[in-house]
Amino acid sequence: SQQGEEDPQALSIQEGENATMNCSYKTSINNLQWYRQNSGRGLVHLILIRSNEREKHSGRLRVTLDTSKKSSSLLITASRAADTASYFCATDATDQGGSEKLVFGKGTKLTVNP
Amino acid sequence: DAGVIQSPRHEVTEMGQEVTLRCKPISGHNSLFWYRQTMMRGLELLIYFNNNVPIDDSGMPEDRFSAKMPNASFSTLKIQPSEPRDSAVYFCASSNLQGGMNTEAFFGQGTRLTVV
Repeated sequence: SQQGEEDPQALSIQEGENATMNCSYKTSINNLQWYRQNSGRGLVHLILIRSNEREKHSGRLRVTLDTSKKSSSLLITASRAADTASYFCATDATDQGGSEKLVFGKGTKLTVNP
Repeated sequence: DAGVIQSPRHEVTEMGQEVTLRCKPISGHNSLFWYRQTMMRGLELLIYFNNNVPIDDSGMPEDRFSAKMPNASFSTLKIQPSEPRDSAVYFCASSNLQGGMNTEAFFGQGTRLTVV
């Protein structure tokens, strides 16, 4: 079953603009991660934010986490054509069983037009 | 480290045949995940192991699917018999579980399976 759900499903912007992607999840988490996938390749980790953190930066990436709303956002500033990819959020779906499985949403397909 | 290594990269097989996908995780990692990715269903977690022990296989679609991890450096996902609806890209990923929390997961390049 899907834990995280990203929106929008697809996003098309011009180079230089900012791109914002959102993720909602259902259960309590220890941390939330964002990954990127280029077409035909494996996923690559971008950033991890812990449940006691509200915001985290890495280069042109900014991630926020609102545990009260069970949601996160990924902001890519000053986008480049090379940022074109699919972006996924992943949560460690902790539950009563102590499960630490890493569950992904369906992703947002970002297209940055030059 | 060469990263997570999956083989084969591509597999085309006939319906009813047995398919075995292989994965070598990153040395030192104690968690290993198998995922299946399709356009319709996205990235589905099939099974994950911790310290070579299967912890949660609730995502395995049916008895035709089985996974093993005989040691810390090797895992297999087997489909027997295969069906056309099993066609997908299968990913293996590994990470380090620290204090009960997963850290960054590293993915292999995937195996693209086509069952005709």
